[in-house]
Amino acid sequence: GQQLNQSPQSMFIQEGEDVSMNCTSSSIFNTWLWYKQEPGEGPVLLIALYKAGELTSNGRLTAQFGITRKDSFLNISASIPSDVGIYFCAGHPPSAGGTSYGKLTFGQGTILTVHP
Amino acid sequence: NAGVMQNPRHLVRRRGQEARLRCSPMKGHSHVYWYRQLPEEGLKFMVYLQKENIIDESGMPKERFSAEFPKEGPSILRIQQVVRGDSAAYFCASSPSGIKGPQHFGDGTRLSIL
Repeated sequence: GQQLNQSPQSMFIQEGEDVSMNCTSSSIFNTWLWYKQEPGEGPVLLIALYKAGELTSNGRLTAQFGITRKDSFLNISASIPSDVGIYFCAGHPPSAGGTSYGKLTFGQGTILTVHP
Repeated sequence: NAGVMQNPRHLVRRRGQEARLRCSPMKGHSHVYWYRQLPEEGLKFMVYLQKENIIDESGMPKERFSAEFPKEGPSILRIQQVVRGDSAAYFCASSPSGIKGPQHFGDGTRLSIL
């Protein structure tokens, strides 16, 4: 089945630094989404991307849907301690008919640690 | 994660017992998805349902697992004759549309098998 490879696996940064993480696949995805998960909670949607090349911001977060539809990146600017958590990329693979169905494929996650 | 309600938050069962996990989607959402997460891994899709219909159950084990989303009431994920390997966090998500509506997740049910 389709897989999403997320990198890096973990990051240790100082407060105020910028962060960049990405997600790649050998096959195309019709949508890309970025979620953040904190301990004991469910994933919270950060950004949703629906078109190849789309660049979207949400506060200090910026994400892009790669032109090839096989990758996406998430940037966090000026990190703060509450950015700590696990960041997941996820995507809708095309169904047999070429359209997206609800099933999401998730990456393995990037663990972000921010030192004050 | 306001809106998608899952209960119980924690469930402990002995091997061989049944586990029932409930999910009430966000108001106005008629599409429900169940995912399983093992420690330090991403979420793995199990099943996608609309009211009274299973749309895609390609991620669900063929035996012991079943899901439903009745016309009235929450969606139920049922695991019969649980085994230790069923221990995981089970998350439910809902969306207003199966095609493009982003999925919003509940806080999950942590299932522990003794």
